[in-house]
Amino acid sequence: QQQVKQSPQSLIVQKGGISIINCAYENTAFDYFPWYQQFPGKGPALLIAIRPDVSEKKEGRFTISFNKSAKQFSLHIMDSQPGDSATYFCAAGEGTSYGKLTFGQGTILTVHP
Amino acid sequence: GAGVSQSPSNKVTEKGKDVELRCDPISGHTALYWYRQRLGQGLEFLIYFQGNSAPDKSGLPSDRFSAERTGESVSTLTIQRTQQEDSAVYLCASSPAGYADTQYFGPGTRLTVL
Repeated sequence: QQQVKQSPQSLIVQKGGISIINCAYENTAFDYFPWYQQFPGKGPALLIAIRPDVSEKKEGRFTISFNKSAKQFSLHIMDSQPGDSATYFCAAGEGTSYGKLTFGQGTILTVHP
Repeated sequence: GAGVSQSPSNKVTEKGKDVELRCDPISGHTALYWYRQRLGQGLEFLIYFQGNSAPDKSGLPSDRFSAERTGESVSTLTIQRTQQEDSAVYLCASSPAGYADTQYFGPGTRLTVL
């Protein structure tokens, strides 16, 4: 019940295209959903996060869409750039213990110039 | 402003040896977390320290794993009698008081058990 399932495992997109990564969860107690970006040899960095009181959050080219009834959320990267090539992780946290995040398996995104 | 630092960056050890991994959080951050990242996998929660509260150790995979934190400063993750399946990148993160959801990660320690 604590799992967060992420897909696809890898994604190749042309420059300027839209990258979409999906995550699904089972634990209805989760109420915080961040996305992390990780470059090779570096630790993950928080990219954008959403709470279930909204269905969408946009920051620049990055948008999270959240579907509470389906227990799914997704990351959309508009106008994808080669510099966006990285591994992306979704995660989920529970109200009283956000520190204990449950991560998805990761998606390796490659944006071709 | 220094970020989270971890040492060593790489550690190669022989099966059965003990290892200690160090994390220096961002100054003033009250919360500190350890995660394990196996090759090609997501991050696996290990342990969470929050101020003076008892740590949440629910993610530690076995009693060979332990962690300590001195006040709100450095933390050490110890793995005793290492096994080959312990090979992974061990990541530390910290967050400021009241913002446990905003975790800043260090670069990790890559542990290889031969």
